Amino acid sequence: AQSVTQLGSHVSVSEGALVLLRCNYSSSVPPYLFWYVQYPNQGLQLLLKYTTGATLVKGINGFEAEFKKSETSFHLTEPSAHMSDAAEYFCAVSARGTASKLTFGTGTRLQVTL
Amino acid sequence: SQTIHQWPATLVQPVGSPLSLECTVEGTSNPNLYWYRQAAGRGLQLLFYSVGIGQISSEVPQNLSASRPQDRQFILSSKKLLLSDSGFYLCAWSVGGAGETQYFGPGTRLLVL
Repeated sequence: AQSVTQLGSHVSVSEGALVLLRCNYSSSVPPYLFWYVQYPNQGLQLLLKYTTGATLVKGINGFEAEFKKSETSFHLTEPSAHMSDAAEYFCAVSARGTASKLTFGTGTRLQVTL
Repeated sequence: SQTIHQWPATLVQPVGSPLSLECTVEGTSNPNLYWYRQAAGRGLQLLFYSVGIGQISSEVPQNLSASRPQDRQFILSSKKLLLSDSGFYLCAWSVGGAGETQYFGPGTRLLVL
């Protein structure tokens, strides 16, 4: 069975600072990996995903994530935080060779301060 | 382009009452469809998924059921709601297999009193 761990349910950064949201997964084989963002009272929007190929993946709004197999991690970063980045971020995995069923982490709420 | 609709947006129901939440997708054919529940302070939990009309897979035992009467329609139901059924219910769709992006609807917030 797969699982996803997101360290830190709340992260606060200053505007312009580096954003780092951590995600580690547990899976017998490297899964497909996703980051989604959820703004208040809305559905989820895909930020980026890793399926194969280059391990550094770039997404929307300046976010990127790097798949590190040796560390079973897929941490999300953004070089410079914006006030509009305040939201909840979910890491998710999908096992290879199955229907696209996602297992989500518990989420990290990002707060951006002036 | 594809769009996904969910209704109602918000629902307050008494314990023991029935439930019907509807999700429809436009602009794609034969999508995979999913129901998730997001409880306060917890991540999203996959409740049901469907790869075709009448084909429903349940991920967790619970007080809910799902049906797919048409290709692009997915319904979440309950005969008698429990307090623990409160949460934010999200419908999603995808095409293809593992690794494909899931696209989420706006969600329904359900409060059971």
